[in-house]
Amino acid sequence: DAKTTQPNSMESNEEEPVHLPCNHSTISGTDYIHWYRQLPSQGPEYVIHGLTSNVNNRMASLAIAEDRKSSTLILHRATLRDAAVYYCILRDLPYKTGANNLFFGTGTRLTVIP
Amino acid sequence: EAGVAQSPRYKIIEKRQSVAFWCNPISGHATLYWYQQILGQGPKLLIQFQNNGVVDDSQLPKDRFSAERLKGVDSTLKIQPAKLEDSAVYLCASSLGVGTGVKETQYFGPGTRLLVL
Repeated sequence: DAKTTQPNSMESNEEEPVHLPCNHSTISGTDYIHWYRQLPSQGPEYVIHGLTSNVNNRMASLAIAEDRKSSTLILHRATLRDAAVYYCILRDLPYKTGANNLFFGTGTRLTVIP
Repeated sequence: EAGVAQSPRYKIIEKRQSVAFWCNPISGHATLYWYQQILGQGPKLLIQFQNNGVVDDSQLPKDRFSAERLKGVDSTLKIQPAKLEDSAVYLCASSLGVGTGVKETQYFGPGTRLLVL
């Protein structure tokens, strides 16, 4: 799987939007972009994923650049509960082996300021 | 819906001792994963099961780590003998299966925090 680059840390004020960037310049045509987050002392949790088009769900939005070399996770209104490490992960289709490894990297630590 | 259950939540052992972790995945999930997360790093996959068969164990240190998933449900991960560098959080996750979209979304348990002295 291709690798991703994320800032080590970001800060946001509570109730303001947050844009978490991710660069993936070597992404392949079949790589899906997944975002997971890990709250303190918990296991990671799924946030959102997409392939080419922008995606929205109850937790966040995912904006994917037209060339797919970068993407942005958008939290529309940050709350204190959104303070976590956010991981951007590329996943290729597990056609051949059935392997479903998520390569987490070190992610972006988001601090939300009250 | 019940989430992924893990036990124990914390364990402290001395080096060269053995330790075992238990995981109960979400009901109906065919795929089960064990990850190791060292402090300050992202989780790293140790082993992936599809039902009771191993799909990927390329990152598992097989000289000291072993895992099994009898009957394709619960799973245990064992370390014998433990080393200082095994101090980490051990996370279990499960998914419906593998594929795209909802099917491959992984759901994680709270983890077991291991300290080796």
